[in-house]
Parts: sequence; C-alpha cells; structure tokens
Amino acid sequence: RKEVEQDPGPFNVPEGATVAFNCTYSNSASQSFFWYRQDCRKEPKLLMSVYSSGNEDGRFTAQLNRASQYISLLIRDSKLSDSATYLCVVNRGGGSQGNLIFGKGTKLSVKP
Amino acid sequence: DTEVTQTPKHLVMGMTNKKSLKCEQHMGHRAMYWYKQKAKKPPELMFVYSYEKLSINESVPSRFSPECPNSSLLNLHLHALQPEDSALYLCASSQAYAGEMLRAFFGQGTRLTVV
Repeated sequence: RKEVEQDPGPFNVPEGATVAFNCTYSNSASQSFFWYRQDCRKEPKLLMSVYSSGNEDGRFTAQLNRASQYISLLIRDSKLSDSATYLCVVNRGGGSQGNLIFGKGTKLSVKP
Repeated sequence: DTEVTQTPKHLVMGMTNKKSLKCEQHMGHRAMYWYKQKAKKPPELMFVYSYEKLSINESVPSRFSPECPNSSLLNLHLHALQPEDSALYLCASSQAYAGEMLRAFFGQGTRLTVV
C-alpha cells in the first residue's frame, strides 16, 4: 500500500460546483496532515492544515478520520482560480523532525 | 515573511559539470528539505536537515551532495549528473520540533536540465 493515496482525478467541474477530494495514508504514526495546491510549473503552496476536529477556511473544509486514516477536502462554490493540482500531504511521523510525503495529486479543472 | 528563496531559477548543465543549487530562508526554521519533482509527478523527498545535521537521506545517489552551512542556508552540490536527473528541485523549510504542525514552505524551485 502506498504511503499516501489520492483520488486519481482529473475532476472537471463547472463554476459554482462543490467538489470533494479524498486521501488515505498508511502510517498510523503520522501526526500532521495538509492539503497543498500546485499550479502548473509552480511550487506547492500550503492550502490548509488538517486538524482532528475538522477545520474550515472560507469555501474550503478539511476533515481527518484517524481511525480510518482518511483525509478529505471539500471545495464549495468552485471558482475558475481553483483550477490546480491538489496534493494530500502527510508527515511521516516519529522524531522531532518531520518529513512530508506527498500523494500523487488530484487535478481540478473548473470550467466557466 | 514566509519566503524561501532558491537560486538559480533555471540551470542547464552538461554531464561533466559541477554546479550548486542554493536555498535560503529567514523564518527561523531549523528543518530544511530538498525535494525532486519530475513532470506530472508529486515531489519526492531527497534529504532532510534538522538543526544543520543531515537526518534523512532517501537513498539519493552520491552525485547529489547536500550541505547546510548554517541554519538559514541549504545547498545541493551536483556533479556528473545524468539526463534523467533533469527535474524541478524544490527546497522547503519548517519548524523542527515535535508538537508543531510542521507546516513546510517551499521555494519556487530550480528547473534543472542536464544535457
């Protein structure tokens, strides 16, 4: 089983749609979870951290289920500018320094 | 300031050349990372430095040699690379202690082409 697995995508949605991305991780010792977005030929940028209680930032909602080792990202009212690749990222866990393991990413295209 | 600066932005080198990639951050982060990203693939971890000491080497070939001269700087020395090493090389930094969410911030990357 891969360390971090994501929906294969691509997701092609109209503006205003709600879209959900799912991710599973294999290492139960992982403690930190994130969603990054990456635009074409750019660096990954932190979108949001994912907390155990779930968290929301505007149109974006992230959820974590530790028992199922599952993370999700919900985007409401999609905008054209949301088009990007969304990367599920998990800290491998253990020790005082972390290293981040990336899922393969899910490409989102929002169309007019 | 959440900036990680990488230089150069683009680099073309021959297989017999020696070059270095540089990365700098002034956020007081004590963990710094090198990642390699091929087209249409996710970033893959290469090295982790924690408190200026190499803590993780993901079985990277010796033609890649990292160096952390101080807490703000991270270098990647390149020698005798192969064309398949052409990729985007990303530097990142984060806090280094347990209990923190260890959010990592990435530089814009160096796009390396080996000819």
